[in-house]
Amino acid sequence: NAGVTQTPKFQVLKTGQSMTLQCAQDMNHEYMSWYRQDPGMGLRLIHYSVGAGITDQGEVPNGYNVSRSTTEDFPLRLLSAAPSQTSVYFCASSYSGTEDSLEVFFGSGTQLSVL
Amino acid sequence: KNQVEQSPQSLIILEGKNCTLQCNYTVSPFSNLRWYKQDTGRGPVSLTIMTFSENTKSNGRYTATLDADTKQSSLHITASQLSDSASYICVVSGYIMLSFGAGTTVTVRA
Repeated sequence: NAGVTQTPKFQVLKTGQSMTLQCAQDMNHEYMSWYRQDPGMGLRLIHYSVGAGITDQGEVPNGYNVSRSTTEDFPLRLLSAAPSQTSVYFCASSYSGTEDSLEVFFGSGTQLSVL
Repeated sequence: KNQVEQSPQSLIILEGKNCTLQCNYTVSPFSNLRWYKQDTGRGPVSLTIMTFSENTKSNGRYTATLDADTKQSSLHITASQLSDSASYICVVSGYIMLSFGAGTTVTVRA
């Protein structure tokens, strides 16, 4: 099992550019989510999905879109990148249909810089 | 608003010494409390998970305690090793959502 795989590892964008952060898991998990991690702050939930075809907003969803066409994949799209979106992004997955699942697996992160 | 406060923000210890990290939370309702270890450039990895009825849980040289009455938790690292250098994150679950602390950065020096 590869676990939760995120690509790319690093990315530099110019303001206004768009891009997609990829996330895939091979554990057949129902629940997947995206977080951002900023210095001095805890991880904050951007979007989550409780299963294929179902997504919802988290704490900080503005500027981001998601879709869940398959159980395995949960891409995060930045529509028009802004410097405030400079952060480290983590994808996570878990067995149950809620964030409260006892076992949460995180990807290794994507470090994004927006100039 | 649900909050998770960790202290200290960072600490430096000598290899072989012990240290204790603190976590105070105001999350309600409370489901469970977790401690994660995050190595530089990596995602968080679970160390311990404690529910309301558990006071202590160990994972090797890591021992977590929970006082649900005072809403406090601690993570004790015994006989630290260089590989313990990392950020340690306290996470509190309120049944639906997770609330993350900002983490304590531990540096172990030889």
